[in-house]
Amino acid sequence: AQSVTQLGSHVSVSEGALVLLRCNYSSSVPPYLFWYVQYPNQGLQLLLKYTSAATLVKGINGFEAEFKKSETSFHLTKPSAHMSDAAEYFCAVSGRTGNQFYFGTGTSLTVIP
Amino acid sequence: GAVVSQHPSWVICKSGTSVKIECRSLDFQATTMFWYRQFPKQSLMLMATSNEGSKATYEQGVEKDKFLINHASLTLSTLTVTSAHPEDSSFYICSASEIRAGGPADTQYFGPGTRLTVL
Repeated sequence: AQSVTQLGSHVSVSEGALVLLRCNYSSSVPPYLFWYVQYPNQGLQLLLKYTSAATLVKGINGFEAEFKKSETSFHLTKPSAHMSDAAEYFCAVSGRTGNQFYFGTGTSLTVIP
Repeated sequence: GAVVSQHPSWVICKSGTSVKIECRSLDFQATTMFWYRQFPKQSLMLMATSNEGSKATYEQGVEKDKFLINHASLTLSTLTVTSAHPEDSSFYICSASEIRAGGPADTQYFGPGTRLTVL
């Protein structure tokens, strides 16, 4: 069974500051891991994904995440926050034998000018 | 590439009526489509997994007779909310997995969502 835990339902950062959104996973098999972003009243947009290639994954909009098996983590980072980064962020995990995704509860990112 | 559309984007209906929501993969073929429900400021809850040409698999607690899913082709799945009631008001999101030769589908592409309001 797979699951993810997102620590912190709300994160606030100043514009230009580092963004760090935490995600820990639980999986009985080597997982696929994903980060999605959701803007109000919209669907989810894929930011990046880990599928067992490089452990440091670079995504769109300057985001990246590092897969750390020893810590069962897949935290999302961005060196410098922009106002446009304010949104809801979801971490998700899937197993390799099926396509079902399991989402975390989401982290709402606020960027303070 | 990998665009998923939903129609309608917003629907308001009277209690007791049925509403059909379409989910289409526009530029790829999807053997599997998923339907999610999202309440305000909450995460996505998987309702069912829809496979082309076969019956959908529903998650525990989801009424299959109320939420009818049809996956008639590799690019279209529909969700019909039958006899809708106000408590069915929610944001419904579909996603689709792309078929890839020689490997499992590993990315879900999400539609923009459909907001259902039942009066």
